[in-house]
Amino acid sequence: DAGVIQSPRHEVTEMGQEVTLRCKPISGHDYLFWYRQTMMRGLELLIYFNNNVPIDDSGMPEDRFSAKMPNASFSTLKIQPSEPRDSAVYFCASSPSIDTQYFGPGTRLTVL
Amino acid sequence: GIQVEQSPPDLILQEGANSTLRCNFSDSVNNLQWFHQNPWGQLINLFYIPSGTKQNGRLSATTVATERYSLLYISSSQTTDSGVYFCAAGPNFNKFYFGSGTKLNVKP
Repeated sequence: DAGVIQSPRHEVTEMGQEVTLRCKPISGHDYLFWYRQTMMRGLELLIYFNNNVPIDDSGMPEDRFSAKMPNASFSTLKIQPSEPRDSAVYFCASSPSIDTQYFGPGTRLTVL
Repeated sequence: GIQVEQSPPDLILQEGANSTLRCNFSDSVNNLQWFHQNPWGQLINLFYIPSGTKQNGRLSATTVATERYSLLYISSSQTTDSGVYFCAAGPNFNKFYFGSGTKLNVKP
């Protein structure tokens, strides 16, 4: 398996634009996580899916953030409208069980 | 949420040395994990250890849930162990909070 795939790897956008980050989990993994990493706030868990269903989105910072998992092989994290404080590295991770996670390489988002 | 504190914030070791990293958490937890982020940013999940002891090669972890701390042991450190080690603790599998990490630099 190719591991967790995230796209794009880098995204630069203007404030107010819509941003969509994509994640393809490892086949057969039932759990999917989205994380955000910034210098100011460190690592944060944003949302967690189990069998494509969002279980806990209490970590999503604002209503401008939304995440979907339309099928077992694809998830998106959308920010609309984007703001400079959303600049961060966004990681996706998938898991076959509760005791391990496999991370993607991350998407570095810069909002100007 | 649960407060997670890691110590030390920075650690410099000579290759071959042993080290102990500590994670304190402010409330009882059912989820305690250790992660490693290498200097290129890649994250790896090392241990899921809400209680007890686990070992994986040169790394081992112990969590004493009743006293609200976890320890990560690195033996015979190698330069590839360099990076930041994060602890995350929380009430369950879908809710956990990260510490600010311990930055480890292993010198050859």
